[in-house]
Amino acid sequence: GQQLNQSPQSMFIQEGEDVSMNCTSSSIFNTWLWYKQDPGEGPVLLIALYKAGELTSNGRLTAQFGITRKDSFLNISASIPSDVGIYFCAGQPVWDNNDMRFGAGTRLTVKP
Amino acid sequence: DGGITQSPKYLFRKEGQNVTLSCEQNLNHDAMYWYRQDPGQGLRLIYYSQIVNDFQKGDIAEGYSVSREKKESFPLTVTSAQKNPTAFYLCASSLRPGPGYGYTFGSGTRLTVV
Repeated sequence: GQQLNQSPQSMFIQEGEDVSMNCTSSSIFNTWLWYKQDPGEGPVLLIALYKAGELTSNGRLTAQFGITRKDSFLNISASIPSDVGIYFCAGQPVWDNNDMRFGAGTRLTVKP
Repeated sequence: DGGITQSPKYLFRKEGQNVTLSCEQNLNHDAMYWYRQDPGQGLRLIYYSQIVNDFQKGDIAEGYSVSREKKESFPLTVTSAQKNPTAFYLCASSLRPGPGYGYTFGSGTRLTVV
């Protein structure tokens, strides 16, 4: 099945820097979700987006549902060491409401 | 506290053996899912269940089997027919299937075939 294209694959940043990652698809999605996974644990939901153009924040995290419904981005401002982990985008395509597709993840490393 | 529990955390299996991974949730969620995670890849769907006594194959169901006899439980059996079973397995649940319902994930089971 089609997966989402997530970039970048990995990022190495200094504490305090801002981070941006995105997810794209050739198909239209109904829902975009962003998860964070700590090593050896399951992903935890950060932000959920349900409408095209929607911009939602959760603390230092901001995510947007692209206007074309084919993409989404996640920004992290003023990164801290505990932001380290793998960030996944996920989406539910319009052709299958019971399906959830995942990106390959962005591995974030924050240097103190 | 409600949540979703996977056990065991680590599992070692000899080649040719079947092994069952447990997934239990007390969130009263209708839908449950099994995903496989390999390094550098997104989560791939193995099986999902929308209601008790019903389940559907995902993208990579070959070599796996499931059951959904109770709403709370969705065990996954990795059979000897699975050619490359070493992976991190994640169970998830959602209140309902369909758009708008985010998934709650368990903490995973790391299976290693020795």
